[in-house]
Amino acid sequence: AQSVTQLDSHVSVSEGTPVLLRCNYSSSYSPSLFWYVQHPNKGLQLLLKYTSAATLVKGINGFEAEFKKSETSFHLTKPSAHMSDAAEYFCVVSTSGGGADGLTFGKGTHLIIQP
Amino acid sequence: DVKVTQSSRYLVKRTGEKVFLECVQDMDHENMFWYRQDPGLGLRLIYFSYDVKMKEKGDIPEGYSVSREKKERFSLILESASTNQTSMYLCASSDDRAPYNEQFFGPGTRLTVL
Repeated sequence: AQSVTQLDSHVSVSEGTPVLLRCNYSSSYSPSLFWYVQHPNKGLQLLLKYTSAATLVKGINGFEAEFKKSETSFHLTKPSAHMSDAAEYFCVVSTSGGGADGLTFGKGTHLIIQP
Repeated sequence: DVKVTQSSRYLVKRTGEKVFLECVQDMDHENMFWYRQDPGLGLRLIYFSYDVKMKEKGDIPEGYSVSREKKERFSLILESASTNQTSMYLCASSDDRAPYNEQFFGPGTRLTVL
């Protein structure tokens, strides 16, 4: 069994300040982890993924995430927020090595950027 | 570039109507998925398909059916639409040969049932 908990439903930061979106997971097996972003009225776009290589993963638009097995966490960070980062962010865990199922989505974190 | 398209961005239907949502992918992916997205609930899997004419129930299949007659097309059917099916519907696809289940999403269809 696997699950994902996004610890904040909403996060508000000022433009130019750091962003931290928190994600904890539980999994019986070695997981793959993803962060997706959804801008208003758009589909989901992959930001980054962890697949058991480097624990610090760099993604698009300056985002990165660190896999910490001891804390079962995969928090998303960005050093300096931009207005265009305002969106919904989803943390996703997969424990299948491949195939059609095995993805579990978090409930999402709405990121608000204050000017 | 990877592309998943959905037939409509916005759709308004009446209670009891039969509704078809169409999804097409051009990546030759084996797997296709239908999700619904509601505020505070994230994405919930309705149905998925791992091959032509194959389908599997997801977490919330009640009130829905699907059809996959061709590899590139996956249809979601609401046999008799109800107001509680008002939602954003997202289609996705993934490659069975890729080891990490990355899914590629369409832009979504916002369905309103009156």
